[in-house]
Parts: sequence; C-alpha cells; structure tokens
Amino acid sequence: DVKVTQSSRYLVKRTGEKVFLECVQDMDHENMFWYRQDPGLGLRLIYFSYDVKMKEKGDIPEGYSVSREKKERFSLILESASTNQTSMYLCASQRDRGYQPQHFGDGTRLSIL
Amino acid sequence: GQQVMQIPQYQHVQEGEDFTTYCNSSTTLSNIQWYKQRPGGHPVFLIQLVKSGEVKKQKRLTFQFGEAKKNSSLHITATQTTDVGTYFCAGQGAQKLVFGQGTRLTINP
Repeated sequence: DVKVTQSSRYLVKRTGEKVFLECVQDMDHENMFWYRQDPGLGLRLIYFSYDVKMKEKGDIPEGYSVSREKKERFSLILESASTNQTSMYLCASQRDRGYQPQHFGDGTRLSIL
Repeated sequence: GQQVMQIPQYQHVQEGEDFTTYCNSSTTLSNIQWYKQRPGGHPVFLIQLVKSGEVKKQKRLTFQFGEAKKNSSLHITATQTTDVGTYFCAGQGAQKLVFGQGTRLTINP
C-alpha cells in the first residue's frame, strides 16, 4: 500500500512566521501535490511537482512556495504566515501523469494565530 | 480555468434511502475520478471513469460518466451508516485533477 506521511497532524503558528509542512511518500511516485481544504470549497491545488526540483503553480499559489529536492519528499512553505492560511493541508502523490489515482496523507490542520 | 461543480453540498438521508451526487465540468474531461473522505480522514480513491457513457458499479455504488464527458454522478442504493462522509469528484484536465466542492452525506440510523 502507498504510504503518504505528513510531518504534523496539528500545528499552531503565529502570524508572520515561516512555516514548513513536510510530506514523504514511499512508493517512488513521480508526482506530488499540495492542496488546502476549506469547508464548502473542496480541495484547492496550491502547487504540484512532476519531478525532482520541478514545480508548477496550482490554482492558489499566492503566499506559498514548495521544494522538491528528493523524489520522495515535497515540502510546502508559508513564507510569512497569515490568518487566512488557517486551513487543512493535504499532500498527495501519484504514480505518473497517466490516469492514476492520487494517494493522500492524513493532513495537517494548521492554525495561524 | 477549468471548473468542476458538484451538487448538492450537503445531503441528509434516513438509513436505507438512496443518495445521488452530481458533478458538472465546464470543459470536456479526459477522465473523472471519485473519492470518499470519512469524517476526520483523508480522501480515498474509489473509482475512475474514462469512456463516454461509462457505467461502473461497486456493490451499492453506481458511477456514471456522461456521453459528452462533461458530467458524472454517483448513486448509492439503500444507504448504510458506513456510507457517511464527503464524496468528491475530480476531473482530469490538461495538467491536473480539478476537484469538485464535495457532497457531505449524513445518515440518520
């Protein structure tokens, strides 16, 4: 079974802090994704990556950056956290660009005070 | 950009009643995937539809993909308490999956 592990289940940070969310997958998947989930808005794509050191903006990249130095690890960075970034963050991996399912981590519930 | 609209946002049913959620895309899709998220959990892949007019069944769940490949539905027959959760459709666009807003299903036992 594919295992996608997110570093924290719950995280509380302060406005203006730089925040790192880590995600690791163990199935040698090519593609990795970061979403945020808010009530009534579904899953919104922040950034994705199809290869090491490669990144693409999703639908809501503002205020975020990502890093993929190794194939198995995809990090989401909030450069200067703001209260409107309080949300559930979900990481997902996918085998490749074909018609493959995405496998999600358990999520990180981030609160910015 | 590509949008995927899903309705209803919420549905509450009595156990044993049927349930349907609908998904509509602003553009033609290569495929559509369905996911289920249990309360407190993460989305889990259920199924993928690729062909125009395709119908697939998983026990009490029936998935359909429209002829124009712009809409899809998930129908659950005779709901059980284990069906509780949020159901998401996700349409495959040019580069990425676009998720609908989800339908949250609650069930009165």
